[in-house]
Amino acid sequence: AQSVTQLDSQVPVFEEAPVELRCNYSSSVSVYLFWYVQYPNQGLQLLLKYLSGSTLVKGINGFEAEFNKSQTSFHLRKPSVHISDTAEYFCAVSDRTNDYKLSFGAGTTVTVRA
Amino acid sequence: DTGVSQNPRHKITKRGQNVTFRCDPISEHNRLYWYRQTLGQGPEFLTYFQNEAQLEKSRLLSDRFSAERPKGSFSTLEIQRTEQGDSAMYLCASSSGTSNYGYTFGSGTRLTVV
Repeated sequence: AQSVTQLDSQVPVFEEAPVELRCNYSSSVSVYLFWYVQYPNQGLQLLLKYLSGSTLVKGINGFEAEFNKSQTSFHLRKPSVHISDTAEYFCAVSDRTNDYKLSFGAGTTVTVRA
Repeated sequence: DTGVSQNPRHKITKRGQNVTFRCDPISEHNRLYWYRQTLGQGPEFLTYFQNEAQLEKSRLLSDRFSAERPKGSFSTLEIQRTEQGDSAMYLCASSSGTSNYGYTFGSGTRLTVV
């Protein structure tokens, strides 16, 4: 079975500063990796995904993530955040042993301050 | 296409009452998933369907919970004899095939049991 650990539960950051959200996963087979964003009282929106190929994945809203197989990580980064990036971010993993159902981490709350 | 629709958005019920939630997926998506999300946690898998067939139920889903997807279109999630511990956000998602296409989530139904 796969699992996901998001290493930071809360990340405060100033506007226009960079941010990195850390995600580690465990799985015995090849994985697909995802980052989702959730704004208050809303569902989850896909930011980006890694399926195969280039380990650097670019997503919406200026976010990118890098897959590191040796460190079993998939950290999310943005070089300059906006107030509107204040939200909760979830890392998720899927693999063939679980019929590709998504398993989510506990989430990281990002609060952007002016 | 209006995406995944969930109704109602909010539900307040007294302990012991039955509640039913509805999810209308994206029309061409053959897979439909239910997740539960409590405060400060990531979404937890409950059950999923491929067309009208229910493929798996999580151990989180007690006998008080039942889900259906008649005719492989919309789905309902019913909770009988609600308990305060059932208070959570119930998220529905749909996908075409496996998760490498990415799930599309609805806005969720927030249940409060008083």
